[in-house]
Amino acid sequence: AQTVTQSQPEMSVQEAETVTLSCTYDTSESDYYLFWYKQPPSRQMILVIRQEAYKQQNATENRFSVNFQKAAKSFSLKISDSQLGDAAMYFCAYKTSYDKVIFGPGTSLSVIP
Amino acid sequence: GAGVSQTPSNKVTEKGKYVELRCDPISGHTALYWYRQSLGQGPEFLIYFQGTGAADDSGLPNDRFFAVRPEGSVSTLKIQRTERGDSAVYLCASSANPQETQYFGPGTRLLVL
Repeated sequence: AQTVTQSQPEMSVQEAETVTLSCTYDTSESDYYLFWYKQPPSRQMILVIRQEAYKQQNATENRFSVNFQKAAKSFSLKISDSQLGDAAMYFCAYKTSYDKVIFGPGTSLSVIP
Repeated sequence: GAGVSQTPSNKVTEKGKYVELRCDPISGHTALYWYRQSLGQGPEFLIYFQGTGAADDSGLPNDRFFAVRPEGSVSTLKIQRTERGDSAVYLCASSANPQETQYFGPGTRLLVL
C-alpha cells in the first residue's frame, strides 16, 4: 500500500529566511504524481506545487521549489524568502493517474516576524 | 471561475441523527472526491465519483455512510445514525478528469454532540 510520511510535525522559520519541509513516500508504481498542499486556519486546502514522477526536472513555483529524488522516494519542499502568510499546515500528497490522493500527516509551519 | 463550494460550512447535530453534506464541484469537472479530516491529521479518502457512478468507495468507514451524484455534478454525502466519532471536517475535491490535479472546497465541519 502507498504511504506518505512527514517526519516533522512542526517547523519554524524566521521571516525572509528559507525552510525545507521533508516528505518520503512508499510505492511500487513507476508513474505517479506528488503534491504539496497548504492548509491555513481557514481550512481551504490550496495546491502549492505539483510534480510528475516521469519528469526529472524539479518543479518550481515562485518562492516554492521541490527536491524530487525518485530513487530515494523523497519529495521535499523549499520555501524561500518566507512570509508571514506562509504560516499554515503543509501536506505532502501522492496520487496515481486514476486514484485517490493519499496525504501525509502534515507539518505545521510557523513564521517568526 | 468559481471554485469548489460546500454547504453547510458548519453543522452541529446530535448523536443518532441523520445529516447531509453538499458539494458543488468546479463546472465541467467530471471527477469528484470526498475526504474526511480529523483534528491534527491529514485528509483520508472516502469515495470517488467519475461522472454519476462511484468509481471507488473503499474509504467509506461503514454502511452508515453513503454518497450520491445523480446528475454528475453536485454530490451529497449522507451519514445515518451519526456517532461522536464522526466529528471531523469533510472535504470535497474535484478535477477535470482523474489524471488532473484535485481542487478542494473549504470543507464542512461536522460536530456530533
